[in-house]
Amino acid sequence: QVQLQESGPGLVKPSETLSLTCTVSGDSINGYYWSWIRQPAGKGLEWIGRISSSGSTHYNPSLKSRVTMSVDTSNNQFSLDLTSVTAADTAVYYCARAVAGTGDFEYWGQGNLVTVSS
Amino acid sequence: ETVLTQSPGTLSLSPGERATLSCRASQSIRSSYLVWYQQKPGQAPRLLIYGASTRATGIPDRFSGSGSGTDFTLTISRLEPEDFAVYYCHHYDSSPQTFGQGTKVEIK
Repeated sequence: QVQLQESGPGLVKPSETLSLTCTVSGDSINGYYWSWIRQPAGKGLEWIGRISSSGSTHYNPSLKSRVTMSVDTSNNQFSLDLTSVTAADTAVYYCARAVAGTGDFEYWGQGNLVTVSS
Repeated sequence: ETVLTQSPGTLSLSPGERATLSCRASQSIRSSYLVWYQQKPGQAPRLLIYGASTRATGIPDRFSGSGSGTDFTLTISRLEPEDFAVYYCHHYDSSPQTFGQGTKVEIK
């Protein structure tokens, strides 16, 4: 059974960098695209971007200037860095895997609430 | 960016009733790239329907999806207690992929 688990700080100060890691278990990270998606409290879902197991990335243009994703295949992990955060970046951050060859998000992490506050 | 607009925002129904949820796209979307998710409080979304009309593994047949172009529909034929949740449509036909704002199906 494929499982994804986000980890990272729950509180980040304004203007600092939000960093999260997603650890994948139950399958290899190789051969798939891995995405980050966020959801502010009581609101809808926003796709942040994705990374392949080979490291190629594609980011949402609305966040592209502040986002960096990386992958660590040896540890079956991938990561998100979001710079210069503001209160508007407060959200539950999910990592997710799509069905191979599609964008259908089949597996999701449980979510990591990140609050931006001083 | 293709905007997905879901309606209604909230649907108040009783168990056993039929639920019809709409997702309208600002530009035409290929059906293969239209997906529906169910989300319950405190949980991650769950894949329900992909390719606009194909149920994901383990999804009961009371859930069905239809539509093409700019108009898509999720139908729940007879609501069970566990179906009361928020439903999102999602497309990945163009970049950036986007989600609708959600329809909450609540118990009347």
